[in-house]
Amino acid sequence: DGGITQSPKYLFRKEGQNVTLSCEQNLNHDAMYWYRQDPGQGLRLIYYSQIVNDFQKGDIAEGYSVSREKKESFPLTVTSAQKNPTAFYLCASSTGSGNTIYFGEGSWLTVV
Amino acid sequence: KQEVTQIPAALSVPEGENLVLNCSFTDSAIYNLQWFRQDPGKGLTSLLLIQSSQREQTSGRLNASLDKSSGRSTLYIAASQPGDSATYLCAVDSGGSNYKLTFGKGTLLTVNP
Repeated sequence: DGGITQSPKYLFRKEGQNVTLSCEQNLNHDAMYWYRQDPGQGLRLIYYSQIVNDFQKGDIAEGYSVSREKKESFPLTVTSAQKNPTAFYLCASSTGSGNTIYFGEGSWLTVV
Repeated sequence: KQEVTQIPAALSVPEGENLVLNCSFTDSAIYNLQWFRQDPGKGLTSLLLIQSSQREQTSGRLNASLDKSSGRSTLYIAASQPGDSATYLCAVDSGGSNYKLTFGKGTLLTVNP
């Protein structure tokens, strides 16, 4: 089935470690996005990519990094510089022209 | 800066009721508005997208309206069912590309059997 796959669903990180969240889509979408959701809050944009080999910072990019080497893949690395990384992370994709945006099932990251 | 507000934050209704969820935005220069559903611990599912030139969109028991001039959108759910229980979020696209989406905090809907 077509869709967006995020992995892992749950991830625990020790202080000072970097972790990478995977996002793969088979919708042939050009644009991909990473959002962060905190309890009772709206979604906030971390990074977005409109095309392969290009990406831009969103509203809260500090402490995060991404790559877009393939159209279908947009991994997010949460670095040790991110001071409060415990959150629900959502990957999304779209045709990039203001049309419907599709989301993955999300990944829970907890710092222990 | 675009701000999106959803009222109420939570709503509980008995099964079978018709209900309205509200979304307001501060800058009327929008490209489109989208309504999403989110089940606990899950991703978002797109319900309806209304372009700025449209007044409303319908899908099954759902009807979304848009009034740009007043900065408001409503999501009407007819004959509510327990399976409709979820958080409903609206998002405003201010730039014609999805990286310009601004999300509200959502309305938590509970439909009681």
